[in-house]
Amino acid sequence: AQSVAQPEDQVNVAEGNPLTVKCTYSVSGNPYLFWYVQYPNRGLQFLLKYITGDNLVKGSYGFEAEFNKSQTSFHLKKPSALVSDSALYFCAVRGVGGSTLGRLYFGRGTQLTVWP
Amino acid sequence: NAGVTQTPKFQVLKTGQSMTLQCAQDMNHEYMSWYRQDPGMGLRLIHYSVGAGITDQGEVPNGYNVSRSTTEDFPLRLLSAAPSQTSVYFCASSPGRTDTQYFGPGTRLTVL
Repeated sequence: AQSVAQPEDQVNVAEGNPLTVKCTYSVSGNPYLFWYVQYPNRGLQFLLKYITGDNLVKGSYGFEAEFNKSQTSFHLKKPSALVSDSALYFCAVRGVGGSTLGRLYFGRGTQLTVWP
Repeated sequence: NAGVTQTPKFQVLKTGQSMTLQCAQDMNHEYMSWYRQDPGMGLRLIHYSVGAGITDQGEVPNGYNVSRSTTEDFPLRLLSAAPSQTSVYFCASSPGRTDTQYFGPGTRLTVL
């Protein structure tokens, strides 16, 4: 079975400070990992994904994520947070085989608040 | 391109009523899916389709039906609405089963 965990319901950071939103995963085989962001009353927007290759993945809006196989983690990071980054962030893992192939399994979400 | 569109944006139903949530995409994507979002639970897959004429169940299919008569459209039908179906519903599409999925703006449904 595949699953992701987002251990923090809420993350608060000051504008200009670095931010990290944590995600750990469980999957049989090679992981395919995604980050999505949801702004208030909007749909989910794709930020970045890890399929294979470099452990540091760069995505939209200055976000990046670090894949760590030994720690089964895929943490989302940004060097300098903006107030406009305040949103709900979801980590997801893709099913790898059989009937689960292609399905996305989401974490519960982490609410990021960046204060001025 | 409009991407993934969903209608309506908001809907209030009484228990026992039926309705159809519409989803359409103009990107010629083969894979389409429906999720529901509930507070503290992330998104859960209801049904999905790998192409016209082919649908299958996800994690939480009970109380919902889907069909895929064209590549563009993937409607979700609530047969007899229940308060437990109060949720935000998202449709998503991708070129293929293993590609990045792109989401519509969502439909907020309340069942009284």
